[in-house]
Amino acid sequence: GAVVSQHPSRVICKSGTSVKIECRSLDFQATTMFWYRQFPKQSLMLMATSNEGSKATYEQGVEKDKFLINHASLTLSTLTVTSAHPEDSSFYICSARQLGGSTDTQYFGPGTRLTVL
Amino acid sequence: DAKTTQPPSMDCAEGRAANLPCNHSTISGNEYVYWYRQIHSQGPQYIIHGLKNNETNEMASLIITEDRKSSTLILPHATLRDTAVYYCIVRVAGYGGSQGNLIFGKGTKLSVKP
Repeated sequence: GAVVSQHPSRVICKSGTSVKIECRSLDFQATTMFWYRQFPKQSLMLMATSNEGSKATYEQGVEKDKFLINHASLTLSTLTVTSAHPEDSSFYICSARQLGGSTDTQYFGPGTRLTVL
Repeated sequence: DAKTTQPPSMDCAEGRAANLPCNHSTISGNEYVYWYRQIHSQGPQYIIHGLKNNETNEMASLIITEDRKSSTLILPHATLRDTAVYYCIVRVAGYGGSQGNLIFGKGTKLSVKP
């Protein structure tokens, strides 16, 4: 399957700082990427859909000014958690959609563990 | 909300086949059945997907009932590394828009035991 990377894999920061997470599709171009959040012992929750060259679409209850998404190229989307607080501590996972011909599959990155002190 | 129902947990002996069921009684004609798994503290891994025909790849087989209201993922020879949470998801494929989003339910926690 296709490969999606995330960086960093783990980050610890102080409350009030901003954290940027990168998501890259390594061997295919993705016009659409997705950002999920997963709290301990819970399932993945879709936060937003990131479209190359346009504004992201946020799910209900997700603050767009707090979770800034930039999809500047066909292989890179970034999620910035602004003014992070301890309740933002979570496992953040991105996915990239490979679409073409008979293929329509989302491939996931390895995730980023964010801990806000 | 997830459109599928899966048992919360299952056990399987190492080397035996693991059969994971999924109910999707409200599936629409243009929705595919996708299976992913998530090993602890990792991102989900794509396994297989299908529309109405049975599918097989190097990881698993997917059996979809004729009425498409349920399906079974089969891991033919389970190993300890197959221990994970398995998610069955229905979604529209080939189009943009939110119908194509992957919405995760709670999945089935498969424990493969020696």
